[in-house]
This record gives sequence, structure tokens and C-alpha cells, in this order.
Amino acid sequence: GENVEQHPSTLSVQEGDSAVIKCTYSDSASNYFPWYKQELGKRPQLIIDIRSNVGEKKDQRIAVTLNKTAKHFSLHITETQPEDSAVYFCAVGYSTLTFGKGTMLLVSP
Amino acid sequence: SQTIHQWPATLVQPVGSPLSLECTVEGTSNPNLYWYRQAAGRGLQLLFYSVGIGQISSEVPQNLSASRPQDRQFILSSKKLLLSDSGFYLCAWSWGGANTGELFFGEGSRLTVL
Repeated sequence: GENVEQHPSTLSVQEGDSAVIKCTYSDSASNYFPWYKQELGKRPQLIIDIRSNVGEKKDQRIAVTLNKTAKHFSLHITETQPEDSAVYFCAVGYSTLTFGKGTMLLVSP
Repeated sequence: SQTIHQWPATLVQPVGSPLSLECTVEGTSNPNLYWYRQAAGRGLQLLFYSVGIGQISSEVPQNLSASRPQDRQFILSSKKLLLSDSGFYLCAWSWGGANTGELFFGEGSRLTVL
């Protein structure tokens, strides 16, 4: 089955800095790569996703880049704010989604 | 618009007792339905998914089972809970079809087995 590795497990930044979270996967048939944000005690919610026919996608302060050859993709958050503090999960799939173990992002004022 | 309801939100159960978690989706037909478990530090683990009534695929062999008695109803059950069943259980739906897309999660059920 699919194997997803996510790094780092914890990331601390100062407000205004950029944050980058990386994921690698194993199944070359996977074609859907979403990122979810989960605030403490709440449900995960999609923040951005990308399909395998696209190399990069941007939505305001967040962006995702995909390298299908190397089987890795990354989440980039620019100008971080305290409300960006949460756990972020990458996921990979074709018919179902396999999730990474998550990255706890802490943004200090 | 579509909504997903999951209950109960919290429950504390003794080891060996049964379990039933229920999830319903409104505002769509023939959704794909999923049960995930979230344990601390381990991300979201897919337990079961269903593409239609009575069609259940199991991803992880264990003492849990799932059923889909109606198009928009998904139930997670156990006959005898283990300590290791403790965790945060999330029901989710996505638009039907072979290729996966965005998952819409319920608010979750936190299970503590004592």
C-alpha cells in the first residue's frame, strides 16, 4: 500500500516568517495530493490540493508544489500569522487517501 | 449544501463493552463514506470505506466493523472494545466516483476505553 512520510513533526517560526512542510510518497499511481489543517479539538479541513497534472498551485499565502518524478510535494506558508498555528497533514491517494503523521506548526507573535 | 453529522461526540466505555458510532450525510446522494481513527502522533488511519449501500472495504484488520444500511448512513461498531481502541474517530464523505477528491470530515467522536 501507499506509504507517506511527513517532515518535520514540529515546526516553530516567528510571525511573518515562512514555513515549509514536506511529504514523500511511494505509489506512483497516486494522483491527488491535498493538505489539511486541524486546529486543536476540531475536524481536519482542506486548505489546498493539487492533482498530478499540475506542478504548483497557490492560494493567497499558501502554495503547494509537486515533483512527481521524485515523489514528493511540499506546503509553503508565507507571512505566517499566529492563527496559522495548527497541525497540518499531507495526504496522498488515488481511490482513497493515506495521510502523513502531521506537522505541528507553532507561530509565535 | 451538504452537511455531515456524527455522534456521540464523546464516550467512555469499559473494556469488553460494545460500541456503536453513527454518521449521516445530508444534501448529497451516493457519497463515498469513510471511517478514520486518529491516535496521538499517528496521523489519520483509514479503517473502512464504502462506495455504496452494503459495500464495505476494510483497510486494517481488527475488532471493529462497519456497515452502511442506507445510502447516507455509516456505522462503526465493535462487539468487545479493547484498550487500544481508544482514540478520535472521524467519519468523512467525498463525492462518489473511482478517483478520490476532497474529504469532508464530521466533528469526530472521542472514545476512551478504560
